Amino acid sequence: QKEVEQNSGPLSVPEGAIASLNCTYSDRGSQSFFWYRQYSGKSPELIMSIYSNGDKEDGRFTAQLNKASQYVSLLIRDSQPSDSATYLCAVNGASYDKVIFGPGTSLSVIP
Amino acid sequence: EPEVTQTPSHQVTQMGQEVILRCVPISNHLYFYWYRQILGQKVEFLVSFYNNEISEKSEIFDDQFSVERPDGSNFTLKIRSTKLEDSAMYFCASSVGLAVYNEQFFGPGTRLTVL
Repeated sequence: QKEVEQNSGPLSVPEGAIASLNCTYSDRGSQSFFWYRQYSGKSPELIMSIYSNGDKEDGRFTAQLNKASQYVSLLIRDSQPSDSATYLCAVNGASYDKVIFGPGTSLSVIP
Repeated sequence: EPEVTQTPSHQVTQMGQEVILRCVPISNHLYFYWYRQILGQKVEFLVSFYNNEISEKSEIFDDQFSVERPDGSNFTLKIRSTKLEDSAMYFCASSVGLAVYNEQFFGPGTRLTVL
């Protein structure tokens, strides 16, 4: 069974701090990795995708991928209260047909 | 900005009834998906659809489920005989193409409540 694991949290950070969210996956054949943000009662919103080892930056967000360690992370710089949400790590399997989601990490940014 | 739309936003039905959930994917996208999320649980893949046929389905997607693209814009999920445990948020998603760069964009969801 292919799995995607995340710490469920809640992770609390003060406003302006860096939030660090982590994810591990079990399928070594995975090649596509995504971070979605989900506000309570809403649908997942794609915020980052990463396909190669290393870092990818987009505004305040940085995704990091280490395929050897089967590890993906998301850093949120200058965290804002509006960043408070559940962050879902998602991974494509070898078939690419589906995205397997982790259980999500709940982030709370304290003003 | 183009987006996936879904109707209805909330559907209440009696156990054993049939429901059809509707989605309009982003217009230039070729791949379509249904996911569900039971309250408090993770998002689960149900089915993917390309070129008018199912390309992959999960073990959740049993004989009571079916999908269809009845015209050039709509993509539907039918649940033939609903069960209490089918109560969940159902999300439609679409992507431009398969392969590695397969970013999937989600609609707002339909909350299905089975009584």
